[in-house]
Amino acid sequence: QKEVEQNSGPLSVPEGAIASLNCTYSDRGSQSFFWYRQYSGKSPELIMFIYSNGDKEDGRFTAQLNKASQYVSLLIRDSQPSDSATYLCAVGRDGQNFVFGPGTRLSVLP
Amino acid sequence: EPEVTQTPSHQVTQMGQEVILRCVPISNHLYFYWYRQILGQKVEFLVSFYNNEISEKSEIFDDQFSVERPDGSNFTLKIRSTKLEDSAMYFCASSRDRGPEQYFGPGTRLTVT
Repeated sequence: QKEVEQNSGPLSVPEGAIASLNCTYSDRGSQSFFWYRQYSGKSPELIMFIYSNGDKEDGRFTAQLNKASQYVSLLIRDSQPSDSATYLCAVGRDGQNFVFGPGTRLSVLP
Repeated sequence: EPEVTQTPSHQVTQMGQEVILRCVPISNHLYFYWYRQILGQKVEFLVSFYNNEISEKSEIFDDQFSVERPDGSNFTLKIRSTKLEDSAMYFCASSRDRGPEQYFGPGTRLTVT
């Protein structure tokens, strides 16, 4: 059974701070890793994907992957109230069929 | 910007009835997916579809479920005899190839009474 674990939160950070979201996965053969943002009642929206160990930056977002530790994280710099949402980690073997984690609820306080 | 669309946005049905959920994937995408999310729970993969056939399905996708691409644009999920536990948001997604970027539609909320 492939598992993806996330702290459910809520994670509360003040506006302007760095939010750090973490995810661990059980399938050592996983090859692709994704972060989706989901606002309440809405569909998941792809933010980042990463394939290789290390960091990948896109604007205020940085994804970090450590395959040896089976760990992937998402950093959000200069957090804004509009970043308040549930962040879903998804992991795939071939980029096609994902296993989603339960999500971490982020609350950015103005 | 092209997007995945789904209809209806909300479907209410009685237990035992058949429902068809419809999706129009992004036009140049070749891979199509259905996911569901029971309220308060995680997103769960149901099925993927490529080249007019199912490429992978989960344990959830049992004989009560079927998918079809009846024409060049629509992609449908049929539930033959709905159960109360089928109540969930159903998301359609599509991707251009076997790559990472799956784009999700807005979802259909299915309520089985």
